[in-house]
Amino acid sequence: DVKVTQSSRYLVKRTGEKVFLECVQDMDHENMFWYRQDPGLGLRLIYFSYDVKMKEKGDIPEGYSVSREKKERFSLILESASTNQTSMYLCASSSQTGSRFFGPGTRLTVL
Amino acid sequence: QKEVEQDPGPLSVPEGAIVSLNCTYSNSAFQYFMWYRQYSRKGPELLMYTYSSGNKEDGRFTAQVDKSSKYISLFIRDSQPSDSATYLCAMSPNTGNQFYFGTGTSLTVIP
Repeated sequence: DVKVTQSSRYLVKRTGEKVFLECVQDMDHENMFWYRQDPGLGLRLIYFSYDVKMKEKGDIPEGYSVSREKKERFSLILESASTNQTSMYLCASSSQTGSRFFGPGTRLTVL
Repeated sequence: QKEVEQDPGPLSVPEGAIVSLNCTYSNSAFQYFMWYRQYSRKGPELLMYTYSSGNKEDGRFTAQVDKSSKYISLFIRDSQPSDSATYLCAMSPNTGNQFYFGTGTSLTVIP
């Protein structure tokens, strides 16, 4: 089974803090993704990566950056957290069929 | 117009009922169709994957695609309280990185 793990299930941060969310997949997938999920808005793509050190902006990249130094690891960085970044963050990797396999999510609260 | 439309519900049914969940879409290029199940405060898990038109059955779950009507359905037979979750449809024109999610339908199965 594909396993995608995320470093934290719940996180509380202060406005202005730098936040790191880490994701690891164990299936040797090329593609990895970061989404945020908000009620009524569904899943929105922040960034994705199709190879080590490669990244592409998704639909809502503002306020975020990413890092992919190793194939299995994809990090999301909030340079200066703001209250409107309070959300559920979901990491995913994709198989050759394109299907997304998601991690358990990180519920981030920015105070 | 959104690429994918999904009625958010909520949908509430008695145990043992047949459940029908639906999505419509506007892009005739979509070829790959998926259903995800998401329990509260967890990441989405892939439930069904279909390519092009037709039906696919897996236990109590049947996925149906009608490309002529741009309409996909997920049927759940003999619904159980453990089926209570949010169901998201997803679709893509190819196995690449273009991927579109519905906003999810919340289902509660009452014992």
